[in-house]
Amino acid sequence: QVQLVESGGGVVQPGGSLRLSCAASGFPFNNVGMHWVRQAPGKGLEWVAVIWSDGSLKYYAESVKGRFTISRDNSANSLYLQMNSLRVEDTAVYYCVSRGIAVQDAFDIWGQGTLVRVSS
Amino acid sequence: SSELTQDPAVSVALGQTVEITCQGDTLRPYYASWYQQKPGQAPVLVMYGKNNRPSGIPDRFSGSRSGNTASLTITGAQAEDEAEYYCNSRDSSGVRWVFGGGTKLTVL
Repeated sequence: QVQLVESGGGVVQPGGSLRLSCAASGFPFNNVGMHWVRQAPGKGLEWVAVIWSDGSLKYYAESVKGRFTISRDNSANSLYLQMNSLRVEDTAVYYCVSRGIAVQDAFDIWGQGTLVRVSS
Repeated sequence: SSELTQDPAVSVALGQTVEITCQGDTLRPYYASWYQQKPGQAPVLVMYGKNNRPSGIPDRFSGSRSGNTASLTITGAQAEDEAEYYCNSRDSSGVRWVFGGGTKLTVL
């Protein structure tokens, strides 16, 4: 069964850091590009970052560039998002998402999400 | 960066046909994909590519593109189709992605 399970969310003060993890199972993780997508409370979806299947390339949304770092460990079937210098506006549910497992060029498998709340 | 524009809300009578549109310059070189999200749930892919449905998505869902506008059509809308719908595409860089603002579909 193809599955993505996020963890690591919580409450953090502005300026703080948090590391999200995503455990993948049921598919060849090292063959798939992986993304983080977030959704602020009551708002729409926002693409955050992508990492190529071999980890060689990473790209970020302008809103998080320089503060967030996406990484992966293919030996552990895991995806990560290191979030530094967090702001109130980073409060959101963060989804781990695959692109290209079941279909081509679309976000085909989504995790259940993990909530990050930045608040003093 | 690029933008994708969706109507905030659309309504349809039960059993009728509704079209949800998404407009943006990057929809000329890149196909849109469409996601359905119900309250409290993660989004679900419902349409991708030229007009492709993932396994398990009913055939009342179809997709099309004309110029810089992508459309998701539901033919014979059902009560369970009531949800938020988001379009998505690569942006002008080709290595970043962008979502539309979402369309809330109400089935009357």
